[in-house]
Amino acid sequence: AQSVAQPEDQVNVAEGNPLTVKCTYSVSGNPYLFWYVQYPNRGLQFLLKYITGDNLVKGSYGFEAEFNKSQTSFHLKKPSALVSDSALYFCAVRDPRGGADGLTFGKGTHLIIQP
Amino acid sequence: DGGITQSPKYLFRKEGQNVTLSCEQNLNHDAMYWYRQDPGQGLRLIYYSQIVNDFQKGDIAEGYSVSREKKESFPLTVTSAQKNPTAFYLCASSIRQDSETQYFGPGTRLLVL
Repeated sequence: AQSVAQPEDQVNVAEGNPLTVKCTYSVSGNPYLFWYVQYPNRGLQFLLKYITGDNLVKGSYGFEAEFNKSQTSFHLKKPSALVSDSALYFCAVRDPRGGADGLTFGKGTHLIIQP
Repeated sequence: DGGITQSPKYLFRKEGQNVTLSCEQNLNHDAMYWYRQDPGQGLRLIYYSQIVNDFQKGDIAEGYSVSREKKESFPLTVTSAQKNPTAFYLCASSIRQDSETQYFGPGTRLLVL
């Protein structure tokens, strides 16, 4: 079975500082990994994904994430936070070998950027 | 949210009533999904469909039913058997069932009167 853990319910960062939102995963094979963002009462927006290749993945709105196989992590990062980055962030995983149906999501991390 | 629409935005259900949530996509995607979102629990898969006239149960299918008569439509019915239906419901689609990325609609919030 595949699973995702987002250890922090909330992350607070001052505007202009770098931010990190943590994600660790568990799958039996090589994972497909995703980050989505959700604004209040809205659907999820795709940010970025890791399928294969370079461990550093760049996505929308200046976000990036680094795949670390030894630590089974896929942390989301941004060099300089904006107030508009405040939202709920979800990490998700899929094992492409497992005949898996949908994505398995973490519980989400609230990111709060303080002016 | 582009290309996936959900209606209504808010839906109220009375005790013992079945209600149906609409999901339509114009992306020509084969696969469609329904997720339920509860505070602090992330998203959980209810049903998914790989092609027309085919669908499978997800992790929390009890109390729900779906149909896939057209490629672009995947309605979800919340039946009276679902005892705790209050949640935010999200529909998603992907090019294929094993495709990499799922795209989400704007969601429907279901409340019980």
